[in-house]
Amino acid sequence: SQQGEEDPQALSIQEGENATMNCSYKTSINNLQWYRQNSGRGLVHLILIRSNEREKHSGRLRVTLDTSKKSSSLLITASRAADTASYFCALLNNAGNMLTFGGGTRLMVKP
Amino acid sequence: GAGVSQSPRYKVAKRGQDVALRCDPISGHVSLFWYQQALGQGPEFLTYFQNEAQLDKSGLPSDRFFAERPEGSVSTLKIQRTQQEDSAVYLCASSRGGAKNIQYFGAGTRLSVL
Repeated sequence: SQQGEEDPQALSIQEGENATMNCSYKTSINNLQWYRQNSGRGLVHLILIRSNEREKHSGRLRVTLDTSKKSSSLLITASRAADTASYFCALLNNAGNMLTFGGGTRLMVKP
Repeated sequence: GAGVSQSPRYKVAKRGQDVALRCDPISGHVSLFWYQQALGQGPEFLTYFQNEAQLDKSGLPSDRFFAERPEGSVSTLKIQRTQQEDSAVYLCASSRGGAKNIQYFGAGTRLSVL
């Protein structure tokens, strides 16, 4: 079973627009991570946010975490066609020994 | 250095056949993870090694699934008597130490059971 639920399941935007993906979860976590997966490829780690952090930036990526609402969001600004991929949130449990993935958001950026 | 390497990239098996999937982790990475990813879904945890020790195999769906890492580097995931529901992409990841460290993923093996 997958602990994280992502919303929306699919998102289609024009190049240059911003894309926002959300992840909700049920239990307490050690950290939350976001990964990208291009079609037919493995997952690539994007960003990690710890449970005591509220916001993190990396290039065009901005991640927020609200532990009271048990939710996180990933914002990709000024999207490019190359950002087309599936994006997954992954939750590290408090014991720090297991990473569970959400179902993913499939993002399409049209040129 | 080289990333995580998995072979074969694609495997077609007849139902009932045994298969073996190989993972070469990043050199020096202590931890190795196997995941199963069904079409359109996120990866699901199968098992985890710290060096040669299998510390968690709670995600293995049945006793037909077996994983080993005898020398603490290369790992093999074996599926006996494959069933159609075993069709999925099998992903391997490695990290410097445990799940707290960033996991680096291979491209996966796509298994199709006919």
